[in-house]
Amino acid sequence: KQEVTQIPAALSVPEGENLVLNCSFTDSAIYNLQWFRQDPGKGLTSLLLIQSSQREQTSGRLNASLDKSSGRSTLYIAASQPGDSATYLCAVRRSNDYKLSFGAGTTVTVRA
Amino acid sequence: DVKVTQSSRYLVKRTGEKVFLECVQDMDHENMFWYRQDPGLGLRLIYFSYDVKMKEKGDIPEGYSVSREKKERFSLILESASTNQTSMYLCASSPGGGYGYTFGSGTRLTVV
Repeated sequence: KQEVTQIPAALSVPEGENLVLNCSFTDSAIYNLQWFRQDPGKGLTSLLLIQSSQREQTSGRLNASLDKSSGRSTLYIAASQPGDSATYLCAVRRSNDYKLSFGAGTTVTVRA
Repeated sequence: DVKVTQSSRYLVKRTGEKVFLECVQDMDHENMFWYRQDPGLGLRLIYFSYDVKMKEKGDIPEGYSVSREKKERFSLILESASTNQTSMYLCASSPGGGYGYTFGSGTRLTVV
């Protein structure tokens, strides 16, 4: 069974600081890894999708890296803003499987 | 952009009622999923469907059933609602292959 862990569970930073969110998974036989954002009481919004053959993906201020052999992914958010305050979830899809395994999330607060 | 629409944002139902949660996607995706999300337990897969009329149990199918008569629509059915089914329900779709998931905005169900 794939276990996905996100550390820390919560993070509070001043505006402008860079954010580093960590995700680790136990089974390295993954198909891809997806980072999501969730605002309170809302659904999940996809941020970045990294295929198992890729090392990183970038979108604007967001950059996600993947080290499959060590079972780790990191989401970097540059120059954080109060609007970045949300819960960030990492989800891993194993090879030959439709399903995603989710981490518990990291709740980020960016202080103005 | 792919849109996944959940018909209700909030629902309040009585114990013992039969409850239908509807989900529609507009991009001809093969795969559709129902998750529930609870504090401290994260996202848990209830059921998924990889084709019309095809379904598979997820991690917590007890007390639920599903229906997929058309490709774009995936319904979650609570045969006899109970208070422990009070939760946030999230629907998602994916075209399969290496593509990621798209989630709906969620339905907050309260069973009283």
